[in-house]
Amino acid sequence: DTGVSQDPRHKITKRGQNVTFRCDPISEHNRLYWYRQTLGQGPEFLTYFQNEAQLEKSRLLSDRFSAERPKGSFSTLEIQRTEQGDSAMYLCASSLVTPPRLDTQYFGPGTRLTVL
Amino acid sequence: KNEVEQSPQNLTAQEGEFITINCSYSVGISALHWLQQHPGGGIVSLFMLSSGKKKHGRLIATINIQEKHSSLHITASHPRDSAVYICAVRDYGGSQGNLIFGKGTKLSVKP
Repeated sequence: DTGVSQDPRHKITKRGQNVTFRCDPISEHNRLYWYRQTLGQGPEFLTYFQNEAQLEKSRLLSDRFSAERPKGSFSTLEIQRTEQGDSAMYLCASSLVTPPRLDTQYFGPGTRLTVL
Repeated sequence: KNEVEQSPQNLTAQEGEFITINCSYSVGISALHWLQQHPGGGIVSLFMLSSGKKKHGRLIATINIQEKHSSLHITASHPRDSAVYICAVRDYGGSQGNLIFGKGTKLSVKP
């Protein structure tokens, strides 16, 4: 257990439905990352937050995806109008960035999404 | 061509064998991570290094910045080492925030 939790661990939904995932980072961590991992592939970056500010979004994050970190603590990732191609493991990671030190990211267990 | 390449993709070893997993990258980096992912998805960070060598227990990670290459070694391998090992780099010239991941090396250690 790294201290990063994600909920739910598994989600099965029908195409066209909306889903929302939650990530609770390690409490003092100021950075929070979302990644997506499909079967047999390494994770791919989606977006990250520094405190409550969303600083970067990958081109993978289409308009159907939105992420928030309203109080700089937990984060949510919402997917609207899900498609079968959204089926993947969604990973959250957090870190404490204290420049100039490089940060180590701590990963949550992931949320496995299956879109039928 | 992926920016981070790992080899081999799959590796089967007998308990006790010395194991090496390789990672090559094509971008300038500020740091390289070795991660371990067990079935079910959980990822654990093993090492973060920007130069030289690090050791933790039976695990050793080395990096050669000039050759853009890193290796992860496992000495006296054990079945509990069975997992996917992922190399990831922090792109020095690009985003400040994200890691670029390799596809992983699936290790299976037989008793």
